[in-house]
Amino acid sequence: QVQLVQSGAEVKKPGASVKVSCKAYGYTFTTYGIHWVRQAPGQGLEWMGWISSGNGDTDYSQTFQGRVTITRDTSASTAYMELSSPRSEDTAVYYCARDFGRGLPFDSWGQGTLVTVSS
Amino acid sequence: DIQLTQSPSFLSASVGDRVTITCRASQGISSFLAWYQQKPGKTPELLIYVASTLQSGVPSRFSGSGSGTEFTLTISSLQPEDFATYYCQQLNSYPYTFGQGTKLEIK
Repeated sequence: QVQLVQSGAEVKKPGASVKVSCKAYGYTFTTYGIHWVRQAPGQGLEWMGWISSGNGDTDYSQTFQGRVTITRDTSASTAYMELSSPRSEDTAVYYCARDFGRGLPFDSWGQGTLVTVSS
Repeated sequence: DIQLTQSPSFLSASVGDRVTITCRASQGISSFLAWYQQKPGKTPELLIYVASTLQSGVPSRFSGSGSGTEFTLTISSLQPEDFATYYCQQLNSYPYTFGQGTKLEIK
């Protein structure tokens, strides 16, 4: 059974980086890409970026102007999303999600990680 | 970036109604469009992909159509569990943008 399990909630002060993990179970990790999507309180879904779990290629939304870095550890079947210099507007639930091919949508999502940025 | 505009943003309907949600893309995306349903406090769930293919396990009252820049999601006969927020997403090119969402409420 495919499952993505994310790390727990985080509370960060503005400017302190946050790193969220997403561990994959139930499939061959390197076969599918992992995306990161966030949702601010009461708001819609916002795509942040993608990593190819196989070769490590990445693509990011320019909205984050270089503040987001997505990595993976194939030996641990885990993807990571690091957000640097967070500000209060970055308070949101962050999701990882698996695609099942290029141009195909997200068929499995992590449970979400609430990141709160507050001084 | 490709912008997606959903209409309406809010929809009030009754059990048994037929409803249609539209998603318009700012440029052509072939059939690379998906629809998701999200209930409060839950993760999004995939309903339809490549514009009209029903995801396994999704009831047949859901259907999708369209190509290019205009797409629709139709629910043929609303059930109580269908009241939720619906999002379209384009997967033609990065960044994979989402529509702003359509909140479907009980009348």
